[in-house]
Amino acid sequence: DAGVTQSPTHLIKTRGQQVTLRCSPKSGHDTVSWYQQALGQGPQFIFQYYEEEERQRGNFPDRFSGHQFPNYSSELNVNALLLGDSALYLCASSWGQGYYYGYTFGSGTRLTVV
Amino acid sequence: DAKTTQPNSMESNEEEPVHLPCNHSTISGTDYIHWYRQLPSQGPEYVIHGLTSNVNNRMASLAIAEDRKSSTLILHRATLRDAAVYYCILRGGADGLTFGKGTHLIIQP
Repeated sequence: DAGVTQSPTHLIKTRGQQVTLRCSPKSGHDTVSWYQQALGQGPQFIFQYYEEEERQRGNFPDRFSGHQFPNYSSELNVNALLLGDSALYLCASSWGQGYYYGYTFGSGTRLTVV
Repeated sequence: DAKTTQPNSMESNEEEPVHLPCNHSTISGTDYIHWYRQLPSQGPEYVIHGLTSNVNNRMASLAIAEDRKSSTLILHRATLRDAAVYYCILRGGADGLTFGKGTHLIIQP
């Protein structure tokens, strides 16, 4: 049973560019959340998608946007990249917004902005 | 989500039990206590969660104080593969998980 799959694993972008990260949730999961993890810090919640709509959002600017597709997969888009956006981006999936179950995390996409 | 307090780091010996404490004095009645761990170069991994009663699963046990203001994650027999950062998180609804700095667990062979 495949867990959460994220692509690409590593990415280097130039300041000001745009980037799209992709996530396939664990089989049977319908909710996808995205997190940003800076070096040495705990993950920070970006937003959560359920039924193809953004349901919850953390303290991140509008440059961060997302999408969930009918097959529950998701994309994270970041516009106008800043050096400070360099981080590990983690996707987590769950069933039913994770009220009573844990989240399954992917191994992340390491984004470097130069 | 309410705040949790954990020690920055703990050290234990292989094959011995490990008790990881977490204080959450401002917990509300509907907050679940979740534990995740993050091994080096991996995403966080769900360990266990509970509301009021102690919980057991194949990975660990969760002991919750009667007043719910603290909890303890118990690894019954630590192995080198249990070396990780352990996060104690309170979750009251559908909000995203709020990770703190966690406890860095070091296992000595």
